[in-house]
Amino acid sequence: RKEVEQDPGPFNVPEGATVAFNCTYSNSASQSFFWYRQDCRKEPKLLMSVYSSGNEDGRFTAQLNRASQYISLLIRDSKLSDSATYLCAVNINDYKLSFGAGTTVTVRA
Amino acid sequence: SQTIHQWPATLVQPVGSPLSLECTVEGTSNPNLYWYRQAAGRGLQLLFYSVGIGQISSEVPQNLSASRPQDRQFILSSKKLLLSDSGFYLCAWSGTRGQPQHFGDGTRLSIL
Repeated sequence: RKEVEQDPGPFNVPEGATVAFNCTYSNSASQSFFWYRQDCRKEPKLLMSVYSSGNEDGRFTAQLNRASQYISLLIRDSKLSDSATYLCAVNINDYKLSFGAGTTVTVRA
Repeated sequence: SQTIHQWPATLVQPVGSPLSLECTVEGTSNPNLYWYRQAAGRGLQLLFYSVGIGQISSEVPQNLSASRPQDRQFILSSKKLLLSDSGFYLCAWSGTRGQPQHFGDGTRLSIL
């Protein structure tokens, strides 16, 4: 089983729609969780950290489900500029993160 | 604030030639440093990481090597490049345990 798995998508949604996707992880001892956004041919950029209580940043909401070992990202009121690949990252020890292969989201006008 | 610089942005090299990619971090001390490679349409593969000067951990066997001659400098090298070394190379840094990693702009390496 891979350390971190994501649905590759693509998720094609109209502007204004809500889109949500999950990331499952295999190490029950993981403590740190992150969502990154990666645009085509660019570096990943930190979108948000995921806290145990769940957290929200504008139109983005991240949640952690420890019992089922997954994190989720929800995007409300999608904008064209939200089109990107979203990578989840989970710590596997004090120094290393394991990244998922990414979920592609395409927002259409 | 912390910044990470990686260069060059694009590199085209012939098979068998050497490689040196450099990454520096500013605005922090004793960062953890990382080199990743991302093949086209694929995920991030961790190549090396370093938790201190001269301390290098290698994640995958390959013809690449890494060095950390100074606290905030991380270098990725190869003596002889292979076609399979093509890809998008990313340097990253992180702070203490539990903190996220932050990436440089990346180097797109093409081997001919």
